Amino acid sequence: DADVTQTPRNRITKTGKRIMLECSQTKGHDRMYWYRQDPGLGLRLIYYSFDVKDINKGEISDGYSVSRQAQAKFSLSLESAIPNQTALYFCATARSDYNEQFFGPGTRLTVL
Amino acid sequence: AQTVTQSQPEMSVQEAETVTLSCTYDTSESDYYLFWYKQPPSRQMILVIRQEAYKQQNATENRFSVNFQKAAKSFSLKISDSQLGDAAMYFCAYRSAGGGADGLTFGKGTHLIIQP
Repeated sequence: DADVTQTPRNRITKTGKRIMLECSQTKGHDRMYWYRQDPGLGLRLIYYSFDVKDINKGEISDGYSVSRQAQAKFSLSLESAIPNQTALYFCATARSDYNEQFFGPGTRLTVL
Repeated sequence: AQTVTQSQPEMSVQEAETVTLSCTYDTSESDYYLFWYKQPPSRQMILVIRQEAYKQQNATENRFSVNFQKAAKSFSLKISDSQLGDAAMYFCAYRSAGGGADGLTFGKGTHLIIQP
């Protein structure tokens, strides 16, 4: 069984639609992260959460919001999707004393 | 803010040969972690190797080793006895060890091609 799961794995949506990407983990980690990957740009941090009550913006948070519903769940929302949000989105988790992040399988999002 | 630079967009190596991928970073911090992640076509991010900045000894994991030069802010990855399964994108990443902001800062990646 996967330790970090993301749903959906692939999604096509239209400009202006609201969309939510979900992440769940069974690793018992406190920290969770959302990254975006664009071709030729590597991964960039969107939001991160130290625990349920502590959520922080990353490098590219504009146009996104998040919700930490429980220690194991961290959702990313696009309130009004636009085409330049087409990308591969990764969720990751880590312990508080970590020196490694564990990544989910990614969600490929296409905004038409 | 920290930056990570991978100056080789693509590298090619013959199977069984050795290849070195370059990474440089810019930081004013003295305590941090450095990582190499592999992303095969399946797009899964897989940790290859990590290095703590306070350790002078270079990390090694089987066929993978790093050359960590703290003063030069350089962190290269050497893959020995290259195998077809090593073909992937490789990302160098930085993480601060101090309190405050969290998350990894990634380079843009190097696409490694293994020639049979």
